[in-house]
Amino acid sequence: DVKVTQSSRYLVKRTGEKVFLECVQDMDHENMFWYRQDPGLGLRLIYFSYDVKMKEKGDIPEGYSVSREKKERFSLILESASTNQTSMYLCASIHKQGTGGGYTFGSGTRLTVV
Amino acid sequence: DAKTTQPNSMESNEEEPVHLPCNHSTISGTDYIHWYRQLPSQGPEYVIHGLTSNVNNRMASLAIAEDRKSSTLILHRATLRDAAVYYCILRAVYNTDKLIFGTGTRLQVFP
Repeated sequence: DVKVTQSSRYLVKRTGEKVFLECVQDMDHENMFWYRQDPGLGLRLIYFSYDVKMKEKGDIPEGYSVSREKKERFSLILESASTNQTSMYLCASIHKQGTGGGYTFGSGTRLTVV
Repeated sequence: DAKTTQPNSMESNEEEPVHLPCNHSTISGTDYIHWYRQLPSQGPEYVIHGLTSNVNNRMASLAIAEDRKSSTLILHRATLRDAAVYYCILRAVYNTDKLIFGTGTRLQVFP
């Protein structure tokens, strides 16, 4: 069964901490994405990547950075966590552009910043 | 980016068919129509996608209007496990290839 695995289901961090959210996919997908989901706002795209070492800003990149050193792993970094970054974070992947197929999402990481 | 419009909520009884509508009047010729659903406390799950022709798979059917400005996700026999938020999304595969999620339709299924 193909999978996108997010390293933590729940995380609690303190304001100002550096936070790493890890995502690994086993489908050899080129494209990977980080979204956050908040009540009433739906899913919003933070960053995405088309290939190793490549990254593109999404709609709400402020306060975040990403790393893609290997094809299967896409990490989201909160440089200095703040309470407004408390949210559900979702990772997704898909084969490269033009194939039309469906995205696979991870189960999500619920991050609370106190 | 092209947007979609869905009803906020719908209800169904178990074993009945469910038709979930979606309007996407600004769809471009290369946009795929995707449907996802999200169960409570889980990530979205891919359901089905199509470009121009109607599509069927083990989970659902997708009916696409001839002018592609609307589509309908059909669950042939709703079960309690189908209660979820259903998202209709356009995938612009030749653009930035990002999914833009709206607020979706919350489907309630009653026994």
